[in-house]
Parts: sequence; structure tokens; C-alpha cells
Amino acid sequence: KAGVTQTPRYLIKTRGQQVTLSCSPISGHRSVSWYQQTPGQGLQFLFEYFSETQRNKGNFPGRFSGRQFSNSRSEMNVSTLELGDSALYLCASSSDGSGQNSPLHFGNGTRLTVT
Amino acid sequence: SQKIEQNSEALNIQEGKTATLTCNYTNYSPAYLQWYRQDPGRGPVFLLLIRENEKEKRKERLKVTFDTTLKQSLFHITASQPADSATYLCALLRGYQKVTFGIGTKLQVIP
Repeated sequence: KAGVTQTPRYLIKTRGQQVTLSCSPISGHRSVSWYQQTPGQGLQFLFEYFSETQRNKGNFPGRFSGRQFSNSRSEMNVSTLELGDSALYLCASSSDGSGQNSPLHFGNGTRLTVT
Repeated sequence: SQKIEQNSEALNIQEGKTATLTCNYTNYSPAYLQWYRQDPGRGPVFLLLIRENEKEKRKERLKVTFDTTLKQSLFHITASQPADSATYLCALLRGYQKVTFGIGTKLQVIP
């Protein structure tokens, strides 16, 4: 089975712009979650989608949004970018959601740099 | 609020020795605890999952313990090798709540 695929791998944006990141989960996985990783904060949960519904949400401002399509692929959008949004954005998929009985499978992330 | 602490930012250990990493948590009663390995520039990779009613789990050279009274998990790598050098993350979850990760411990195995 192919692993979790995230595109693009690298992005450079300017403050005030918006960005869309894409994630293709492992085939058959219905849960997709997104994390922001920075050196000081570690992995911070953004949100989780299961069968096209947002099931959990972290403590991020409304500028961060996401969606999941019927084929389980997911996108994450960040509007009005700020310098502090520079981070590695990781997507993870699992079969039963939130890793309850099955682990999270991560992609290699999208490295976003905001200048 | 929930808090996870992993021991020290970095741990250096001699090849062949046992590495022990600690994960402590507060204000949380996880049903599951997981350990992941992360290499630079890559996403975390799942290693082991242990449930709240399990005391210990093993997989090859890896061993995880889970003490819900102490609110602590220990992660051991026996006969450590330079290839084990990476950052190790613990993660807590209960039901379908969001997964909470520790900041990780960077392990360096010295030949």
C-alpha cells in the first residue's frame, strides 16, 4: 500500500497570503488529522476529519481550516498568513480514527515558510 | 490543562547500552499511549501502542511500560545501535479525542 502523501513538500509564502496543503491518506483509511510542528511547541493538533466530517478541532484560530472529500483526501487552508505560521505541517491517517486501536500513519509533511 | 513531559531534550548513550526514555503526563487519563520515532525531515513513524490495562508491551528490542498510578510511561531500547538515533515522541489519547503528543526526546547513540 502506498503511504500518506502530502503535497507540496516545500512552500514559501508572503505574509497576508493564503495557502492550501493537500493530503492523500492510505487507501481505506477514513480518518485524516493535521498537525503543526515547530521546534518549540512540538506537534500541535489542528483538526481531524472522519468520513468528510470534522470530528475534533485543536486550539488554532479560524484562519486554519480544512476539509475532507468523499475519497478521504483532505486539504488544509491557512488564510492571512503570519510569520508564526512557518512550520512543518503533518498529515496523518488511520483506519478507525484518532489512533484508538490503530496507529497514526504520517506523511513527510509540507514545510511552510512565511516571509 | 493536559500536559505531557518527556525527559530532557537530548539523551546520549553508548552503543550496546539500554536507552530509557520517560513520558510523564498530568491532568489526563489516557486509555492508550503510543510511541513514535521521528527522523529529521520526516513524519513520525509508529512504534508501539499500549492500553491502560496493560503494564508492559514488547517488540523486538523495544519495551514500553505504562503506569497509570504514576502517570508515566517508560520506553526502553535494548542493545542500542547508532541507527536508533532519532527523536522519540509519546502520544496520549482517550476514545476519539484528539491525540496529544509530547515534545519528544532526541536520542543519540554513540558508536
